[in-house]
Amino acid sequence: DTGVSQNPRHKITKRGQNVTFRCDPISEHNRLYWYRQTLGQGPEFLTYFQNEAQLEKSRLLSDRFSAERPKGSFSTLEIQRTEQGDSAMYLCASSPSGGPRGYEQYFGPGTRLTVT
Amino acid sequence: AQTVTQSQPEMSVQEAETVTLSCTYDTSESDYYLFWYKQPPSRQMILVIRQEAYKQQNATENRFSVNFQKAAKSFSLKISDSQLGDAAMYFCAYRSPGNQFYFGTGTSLTVIP
Repeated sequence: DTGVSQNPRHKITKRGQNVTFRCDPISEHNRLYWYRQTLGQGPEFLTYFQNEAQLEKSRLLSDRFSAERPKGSFSTLEIQRTEQGDSAMYLCASSPSGGPRGYEQYFGPGTRLTVT
Repeated sequence: AQTVTQSQPEMSVQEAETVTLSCTYDTSESDYYLFWYKQPPSRQMILVIRQEAYKQQNATENRFSVNFQKAAKSFSLKISDSQLGDAAMYFCAYRSPGNQFYFGTGTSLTVIP
């Protein structure tokens, strides 16, 4: 399967702990996005990379959140000092930047975070 | 700020019938993309159909078609010959020229056998 993969699929952590999620995009896609989805809501944009450059970051993203994409391949999303309000599904998506399928995002299965 | 509104939290359709899901959006841009995504229960989101704002012709993908009304900022999805596998959450999404995506709150579609 050459789709977008995310690890771990589930994460339970205690409030105040740090967590890190990983996303492996489709290999030829140079754009990568992170979203947060809570129950009954649509995905909410967090941040976006083109290759290794982080081009956009939501104002909703607090300083406790950081994302990296070293070498323009996989990406990590870290949440420091987790809070119960961080409990959500974290989705990753990738897309090519051009061609007939440009701007179409392909989503991973998500990482479900539960903060106790 | 761009917003996407899906006013139908839930819809149902008889198998083999047609259903239309509504979406409106707000933007001051003239060049953008619109998408419908499907999210089956406990499964990942997949793209159903996309529409470029500069195209007047409505997009179609097999049983799925859209009614894009640019002036009214409306983007509805029509599913023809509904199948049990169409049951899912459907999200309307707007892509800005700056490559940010905004999603609606979704419509849960039930297909009745």
